[in-house]
Amino acid sequence: KAGVTQTPRYLIKTRGQQVTLSCSPISGHRSVSWYQQTPGQGLQFLFEYFSETQRNKGNFPGRFSGRQFSNSRSEMNVSTLELGDSALYLCASSLEMAGEQYFGPGTRLTVT
Amino acid sequence: QKEVEQNSGPLSVPEGAIASLNCTYSDRGSQSFFWYRQYSGKSPELIMSIYSNGDKEDGRFTAQLNKASQYVSLLIRDSQPSDSATYLCAVRLRGYSSASKIIFGSGTRLSIRP
Repeated sequence: KAGVTQTPRYLIKTRGQQVTLSCSPISGHRSVSWYQQTPGQGLQFLFEYFSETQRNKGNFPGRFSGRQFSNSRSEMNVSTLELGDSALYLCASSLEMAGEQYFGPGTRLTVT
Repeated sequence: QKEVEQNSGPLSVPEGAIASLNCTYSDRGSQSFFWYRQYSGKSPELIMSIYSNGDKEDGRFTAQLNKASQYVSLLIRDSQPSDSATYLCAVRLRGYSSASKIIFGSGTRLSIRP
């Protein structure tokens, strides 16, 4: 069974731009969560989607948003990029909510 | 107080010995606990999950949960150099509910010396 896939793997953007990241969960998994990982803050929860609905949200500004499609694929969007948004963005899928999460390889975003 | 706390390390253990990684959490209502391993430059990989008090064994790994003490640990027996990585403890707060979220500790860096 294929694992979680994320595209693109690497991205360089400039301040003020916006970016969209994509995540395809493991086949059959219906829950997708997004995390931001930085050396200083560690792994921080962004949001979790299940059945196309955002079920939970972390403490991030409204510039961070996401959505989930009927095939469980998910996208997250960051608008008006700031230097501090440079991070590894990880997507994780699970069969159901509250289940074991399996991570994708991540998207490394660099904001200049 | 952080919701999930781990000693950042590095924890240095000789090859073949037992590595013991510890994690404490603040939410008494938590029901789901996970250990992940993350190699440098890679994404976290699930090692084990544990939901009930006591021990759970999987190969060389044993997870231990003590809800009364709000403490979860991971033991790695017969440590190998390939076990050198950062180990992340994760706790799903407020148990099995649609309002719960997973909080990760900052991770413990483990180094196995030959």
